[in-house]
Parts: sequence; C-alpha cells; structure tokens
Amino acid sequence: GQQVMQIPQYQHVQEGEDFTTYCNSSTTLSNIQWYKQRPGGHPVFLIQLVKSGEVKKQKRLTFQFGEAKKNSSLHITATQTTDVGTYFCAPGSNTDKLIFGTGTRLQVFP
Amino acid sequence: DAGITQSPRHKVTETGTPVTLRCHQTENHRYMYWYRQDPGHGLRLIHYSYGVKDTDKGEVSDGYSVSRSKTEDFLLTLESATSSQTSVYFCAIAQLNYGYTFGSGTRLTVV
Repeated sequence: GQQVMQIPQYQHVQEGEDFTTYCNSSTTLSNIQWYKQRPGGHPVFLIQLVKSGEVKKQKRLTFQFGEAKKNSSLHITATQTTDVGTYFCAPGSNTDKLIFGTGTRLQVFP
Repeated sequence: DAGITQSPRHKVTETGTPVTLRCHQTENHRYMYWYRQDPGHGLRLIHYSYGVKDTDKGEVSDGYSVSRSKTEDFLLTLESATSSQTSVYFCAIAQLNYGYTFGSGTRLTVV
C-alpha cells in the first residue's frame, strides 16, 4: 500500500468555524478513501475519490482529489460538535489493503 | 454494520499467554483485515485475508498469526502476549464501493 502524510495532526476550532485536513503523497495515487472515527468508536467510511480533480460533497463536507492525484483534502463548513473525531485518509480502492494516514483529530468547542 | 462482530470486546491477559481474537461476518465478504490502533500511530495493518486459507502479512505482523478456515471467521492470535501488544484491535471487511466496514473493536490489555 501507498503511504500518505496527513496534516494537521490536531485542530481545535470554535463551533461554526471551517476546518480542513490534508492528505499528501509523494507518489500518484489510484484512489483515496476518507474515514471518520468518533471518540471511542470505530472508523466509518465516508467516501472514495477516484478521478483527477474530483470534488464530492456530503452536506457540509467537501472532498477533493488533486489534479495530479497526489493529494486530497476534506473541508468541513461551519463545524458542529457532532463533527468531533479523527479523520483518516487511506490511499487505495475497495479491496486493496489500506494503509491509513495518521489522522487529523478535530475538536470543536461550543 | 454489514454484520461484522468482534469478540471479546474487552480482554485483560497476562504476559506470555496466548490470546485469540475473533472476527465474524455474516455476508460472505471475501476480504478481511486486522488492524491495531495505538495513540500516535493511527491504524496499522497486522494481517489480511483474501479468502479461505489465503492470508498475508501487513505492516506489523511480528508476534501475530491469523487463520481463516471459513469465509465468515477471521481469527487473530497473539502466540505469547507482550505488553507492547496492549492496543485496540479492529477487524474490517471490504465492500465494493463502500470502502471498509469496521467492527466495534477489541480492547486488549496485557499485564
């Protein structure tokens, strides 16, 4: 599996502020997946990106795959306390053995 | 979630004892994975399986073995538990177009 670096490691925001986490690779990625893990919970699949420059939205979440397919981002607009958790990216497709990034832990203060 | 269960949910064991964790799925998925999660290390792949009796090593396989004699069960064994294996262990299955589905995890403490 390919390896990625995720930044930042931690992010504290006030409720209502926006949040972005980045996933960067030194090599071209075929696909990338994003997961969310709530405190004390297990990772939950959010989305898979496949195409160069792809942008997908899920309500307040916007996922992007870079034109060169070497980076990806997750942006949350107007964070809510329910967004608290750790967000992981993982390069690879559905049945690849995924090597997860170290994650970005998001804390939202009311 | 997709009929995947892990057992036990919590376990405390002594150093040097063997421990087996079980992952059970009810939907006949071919691909199954074991990960461990530790603070500062994220999720690290231990072993994975592409089918019955078809397993392979992941990033951190030393000290672990796996078996898959039936499609629905993927067992992870710590042959002789050490304190460094204290962790949360997650099993996952791969579903086409839905990414991985994870079990609820097993919190293992080796004392």
